[in-house]
Amino acid sequence: RKEVEQDPGPFNVPEGATVAFNCTYSNSASQSFFWYRQDCRKEPKLLMSVYSSGNEDGRFTAQLNRASQYISLLIRDSKLSDSATYLCVVNTNAGKSTFGDGTTLTVKP
Amino acid sequence: EAGVTQFPSHSVIEKGQTVTLRCDPISGHDNLYWYRRVMGKEIKFLLHFVKESKQDESGMPNNRFLAERTGGTYSTLKVQPAELEDSGVYFCASSQDWDRLSFLTFGAGSRLTVL
Repeated sequence: RKEVEQDPGPFNVPEGATVAFNCTYSNSASQSFFWYRQDCRKEPKLLMSVYSSGNEDGRFTAQLNRASQYISLLIRDSKLSDSATYLCVVNTNAGKSTFGDGTTLTVKP
Repeated sequence: EAGVTQFPSHSVIEKGQTVTLRCDPISGHDNLYWYRRVMGKEIKFLLHFVKESKQDESGMPNNRFLAERTGGTYSTLKVQPAELEDSGVYFCASSQDWDRLSFLTFGAGSRLTVL
């Protein structure tokens, strides 16, 4: 079983749609959690950190459920520019970031 | 502020040859990481430097891979001899501190193709 598992997708949604991505992690010692975004043939870039209380950044909302070892990312009012691969990333105290395979989102006009 | 820079952006070599990838982290970032993504797989951790010291090299696939960070500034990752399965994108990342809130800033990656 992979340490970090994500919905593989792809997700194909129309502009304006709301879409949610799920991620589960297996290491209960994981300390911090992030969503990164990766555009085609580009490097991953931090989208947002995920806090225990949940956090929102504009159209993006991240949630963490430590008991279930589950992280989610909700995108509201999808834009064409949101098309990318979204990577769930989990850090342990050991200083290592573990990546999920990524979920590909395509937003269509 | 300059980001993480990597060189070369793309390298095509034959099996058995040697390739050296270079990473310049963000100035002042003590923590430097190498990751790679091979075709169809997730991004995987290779190793972590704190300044010039290897903090964790548990992800290095085998002894054909050698990473160095002399002087605690830039780092090199050498693959010798390269095999077909080494093809992929090698990402370097850096962070100023290491604590549970630290996130990584990635370079654009070095794409390695072994023929």
